Amino acid sequence: AQSVAQPEDQVNVAEGNPLTVKCTYSVSGNPYLFWYVQYPNRGLQFLLKYITGDNLVKGSYGFEAEFNKSQTSFHLKKPSALVSDSALYFCAVTASNTGKLIFGQGTTLQVKP
Amino acid sequence: DGGITQSPKYLFRKEGQNVTLSCEQNLNHDAMYWYRQDPGQGLRLIYYSQIVNDFQKGDIAEGYSVSREKKESFPLTVTSAQKNPTAFYLCASSTRGGGGFFGPGTRLTVL
Repeated sequence: AQSVAQPEDQVNVAEGNPLTVKCTYSVSGNPYLFWYVQYPNRGLQFLLKYITGDNLVKGSYGFEAEFNKSQTSFHLKKPSALVSDSALYFCAVTASNTGKLIFGQGTTLQVKP
Repeated sequence: DGGITQSPKYLFRKEGQNVTLSCEQNLNHDAMYWYRQDPGQGLRLIYYSQIVNDFQKGDIAEGYSVSREKKESFPLTVTSAQKNPTAFYLCASSTRGGGGFFGPGTRLTVL
């Protein structure tokens, strides 16, 4: 069965500091991994994805994520947080052979000035 | 412009009524999805379809029904059997192995 875990309900960082939002996954088969951001009362916006290749993936708005196969993780990172990064972040996974896209519970990122 | 649209943005339902939420995409994506979002519970998969005339149940399909008669359209019907339908509903589409592109959502409220 596929599953995604985001162990932190909320992450608090100061503006200018690096941020990490954690995600671990479980799939049978090759994983396709994604990060999305959601602002209040809006749909989800795609940030980045890992399909294959380089384990470090760069995405929109300066975000990046590192795929770690041995730890089954795909943590979202940004070197210097902005107040405008404050939002709800979702990690998602699909297996290459199913097409079923499953989401984590979401992590609220709060960046304080 | 390519994209995915959902209508209506807000929907009110009386108890015992069936209502249908629209989802249309012009991205030529094969796969389409419906999710339900409740506060603090993330996104839960209701139904998904990888090809026209075929769809599969997600994790919370009870009380919902879908159809996929056209590639562009994947309407969701919330039936009277769904006991707690008040939620934010999100539709998405994707290529196989690609990330989902999401619509703006429909907020359904039961009166």
